[in-house]
Amino acid sequence: QKEVEQNSGPLSVPEGAIASLNCTYSDRGSQSFFWYRQYSGKSPELIMSIYSNGDKEDGRFTAQLNKASQYVSLLIRDSQPSDSATYLCAVNLGIQGAQKLVFGQGTRLTINP
Amino acid sequence: NAGVMQNPRHLVRRRGQEARLRCSPMKGHSHVYWYRQLPEEGLKFMVYLQKENIIDESGMPKERFSAEFPKEGPSILRIQQVVRGDSAAYFCASSPYVAQGGSSPLHFGNGTRLTVT
Repeated sequence: QKEVEQNSGPLSVPEGAIASLNCTYSDRGSQSFFWYRQYSGKSPELIMSIYSNGDKEDGRFTAQLNKASQYVSLLIRDSQPSDSATYLCAVNLGIQGAQKLVFGQGTRLTINP
Repeated sequence: NAGVMQNPRHLVRRRGQEARLRCSPMKGHSHVYWYRQLPEEGLKFMVYLQKENIIDESGMPKERFSAEFPKEGPSILRIQQVVRGDSAAYFCASSPYVAQGGSSPLHFGNGTRLTVT
């Protein structure tokens, strides 16, 4: 079983709709979770971090965490063509303050005008 | 307010040559992480360093790869006798010191694209 799993996609969503991205992880002791966006040929860019169960909203983005189900998701409301990118879920498996992030393989999202 | 700086952006090496990738962390950050991304794949952890110390190198290939973060100067990822399978994007990230139990997102540099011909 992979430590962090995502559907690789591609996921196609019409402009203006809600895009839903999902991620599961295997280490029950994980405490920190992140979503990164990566445009083709570019570096990963942090868009959300979440540490507690529940929802966390930032603009059009909402991260959801359920530690009991070992599940983290990202919702993008009012999707725009500029949201088309690969979204990487990351889980911190470090100990003693280390920020050792393990990434899923990424979900490729396409927003159709 | 420079972010994580990596150079070179692109590096071409012939099989058997050495590749040196450099990374300067964000100001105030004392921890450096190296990741590799093969084409169409996710990011794979390679190594985590603090100044003059390798903390976790569990993701480093056993041979040909080494990393350092000296007291002065950037962190260096060194690949000896490169092979075509080493062609990838290598990303460096940094973070500040984080107390045990805490967390801080990683900030990535623009990466070095290594091509082995």
